[in-house]
Amino acid sequence: QVQLVESGGGLVKPGGSLRLSCAASGFIFSDYFMFWIRQAPGKGLEWVSYISSSGSITYYADSVKGRFTISRDNAKNSLYLQMNSLRAEDTAVYYCARRLVCSGGSCYSAERGWFDPWGQGTLVTVSS
Amino acid sequence: DIVMTQSPDSLAVSLGERATINCKSSQSVLYSSNNKNYLAWYQQKPGQPPKLLIYWASTRESGVPDRFSGGGSGTDFTLTISSLQAEDVAVYHCQQYYSTPHTFGQGTKLEIK
Repeated sequence: QVQLVESGGGLVKPGGSLRLSCAASGFIFSDYFMFWIRQAPGKGLEWVSYISSSGSITYYADSVKGRFTISRDNAKNSLYLQMNSLRAEDTAVYYCARRLVCSGGSCYSAERGWFDPWGQGTLVTVSS
Repeated sequence: DIVMTQSPDSLAVSLGERATINCKSSQSVLYSSNNKNYLAWYQQKPGQPPKLLIYWASTRESGVPDRFSGGGSGTDFTLTISSLQAEDVAVYHCQQYYSTPHTFGQGTKLEIK
């Protein structure tokens, strides 16, 4: 069963730090680009960061660039998001997600694809 | 970045009736080399993560009821629920994967009238 499970969320003061983790199972983790996507309370989905299958390529939304760092440990089938200098506007549920594409009856990692599955999410609250 | 705009923001439909949600992209997400639209739809029920419904604009994910259908091409897309069931109450999101960043619409909240 393909599954992603996030952990590490919680309440933190402005300027503080948190490290989120995402444990993957049921698929070859090292084959896939992985993403962090967040959803502020009552708001839409916002892509935050992604990392290539090897970890050599990372990309960040402008809103978190310079403050967040994405990483992965393929030996542990785990994805991470180190969040520093947190702000109130970073308050959100953070989801990890796998990007894939299906065509011709098979599914695989690709540069352009949709997100499936998603983890259940972990809530980060930044407040004094 | 490609901007995705959904309409309406919220929608109330009677049980058994048709529900239609629109999604418009600021530029075409049709890739000419394979004639595929790089657009997906997700369903998000309260307290749950998004669940993939449709990809390539019109291909239903395995296990998704056939009352859900996706249509459109280029910049204008629709998600249609042919006969609304109580379990379809959710927020629906469109997402383009034509270019990075893979942007989402703002979501459409579907309720029972």
